[in-house]
Amino acid sequence: EVQILETGGGLVKPGGSLRLSCATSGFNFNDYFMNWVRQAPGKGLEWVAQIRNKNYNYATYYAESLEGRVTISRDDSKSSVYLQVSSLRAEDTAIYYCTRSRVSFDYWGQGVMVTVSS
Amino acid sequence: NIVLTQSPATLSVTPGESVSLSCRASQSISTSIHWYQQKSNESPRLLIKYASQSISGIPSRFSGSGSGTDFTLSINRVESEDFSIYYCQQSYSSLYTFGAGTKLELK
Repeated sequence: EVQILETGGGLVKPGGSLRLSCATSGFNFNDYFMNWVRQAPGKGLEWVAQIRNKNYNYATYYAESLEGRVTISRDDSKSSVYLQVSSLRAEDTAIYYCTRSRVSFDYWGQGVMVTVSS
Repeated sequence: NIVLTQSPATLSVTPGESVSLSCRASQSISTSIHWYQQKSNESPRLLIKYASQSISGIPSRFSGSGSGTDFTLSINRVESEDFSIYYCQQSYSSLYTFGAGTKLELK
């Protein structure tokens, strides 16, 4: 059974940083791209970042709205992916989902809440 | 960025009706469109990939069609469990984007 579990959310002050983690199991992690997608309260889905697998040289892609403030990384030995977000703003308040993909996002975690507030 | 425009924003229907939800891309994207369902307080679920390809475990009343810039998600005979928000997403560009969603609600 595919399992995806995000951790690391919480309350952060504006200007602060946060590292989200996503632990996976139940599939061959090395075969998949991994992504972060976020959803602000009451709003729609926003793709944040993708990291491809070794076959694609671990290429990374970022949403233009966040580029420069986010870094996605993965550890294939731990079947885990991470998202570092810096210079946090109130508008970064959202549920952050970890998803796997080859093209479509076929499995999602339950999400982790990040709240940016003083 | 490729912009996806979903319409209508809200669709009010009664159970048993059949519906079509639209997703229009700002440029041609072949069939690189995928559909998701999100129920209240749940994670999204993949319904259809590559415009029309079915997904294991998804009821057969969900189907997709289209290519180029115009895409449709159809639900044949809506059931009570289908009232939720539906999103389209493109993978033609590596800068993935989602539509704003269509909320399917009970009339």
